[in-house]
Amino acid sequence: QQQVKQSPQSLIVQKGGISIINCAYENTAFDYFPWYQQFPGKGPALLIAIRPDVSEKKEGRFTISFNKSAKQFSLHIMDSQPGDSATYFCAAVLGGNYQLIWGAGTKLIIKP
Amino acid sequence: KAGVTQTPRYLIKTRGQQVTLSCSPISGHRSVSWYQQTPGQGLQFLFEYFSETQRNKGNFPGRFSGRQFSNSRSEMNVSTLELGDSALYLCASSLDGRGNSPLHFGNGTRLTVT
Repeated sequence: QQQVKQSPQSLIVQKGGISIINCAYENTAFDYFPWYQQFPGKGPALLIAIRPDVSEKKEGRFTISFNKSAKQFSLHIMDSQPGDSATYFCAAVLGGNYQLIWGAGTKLIIKP
Repeated sequence: KAGVTQTPRYLIKTRGQQVTLSCSPISGHRSVSWYQQTPGQGLQFLFEYFSETQRNKGNFPGRFSGRQFSNSRSEMNVSTLELGDSALYLCASSLDGRGNSPLHFGNGTRLTVT
């Protein structure tokens, strides 16, 4: 119940295409869902986050879509660029808790 | 503001030795978390410290320990190193450690155990 399942494990997308990474969870008490982006040789950095009372959040080319009934959320990267090549982690937080439950990560490669 | 600083960046140790890793958080951040990252296991939570107290602990053996000082700087210690401890160790700081407070990660310490 505490798991967050992330897919795919790796993804190759052509430049200009849409990259989609999916995450699923079981525990309906999760109330905050951040995405982190990690470039090689660097630590992860917060990219975008959403709460379950919102179905979509957009920041530039990055959009989180949230489906509360299906207990799924996804990251969409529009017009994917080679500079987006990185590992992406989804996570979930239990209300009032201090700990993130992490997905396993997706290695995204954008081909020029 | 300076980011999270981890030292050293690289470390090579022999099986059976012990190692201490250091983390300086962003100024004003009182929570420091430690993670182990390996290619097959993703980000594994080790522990979190807030105001010098360990507040949360992951599922790691007692060989992994940590502490936080009054200036919020933190150290992590691994004793009796095993080959499987080879990994990237990441430190992250946040204002209060709550799950919805953004984590600011350092660039990690790459530990190789031979």
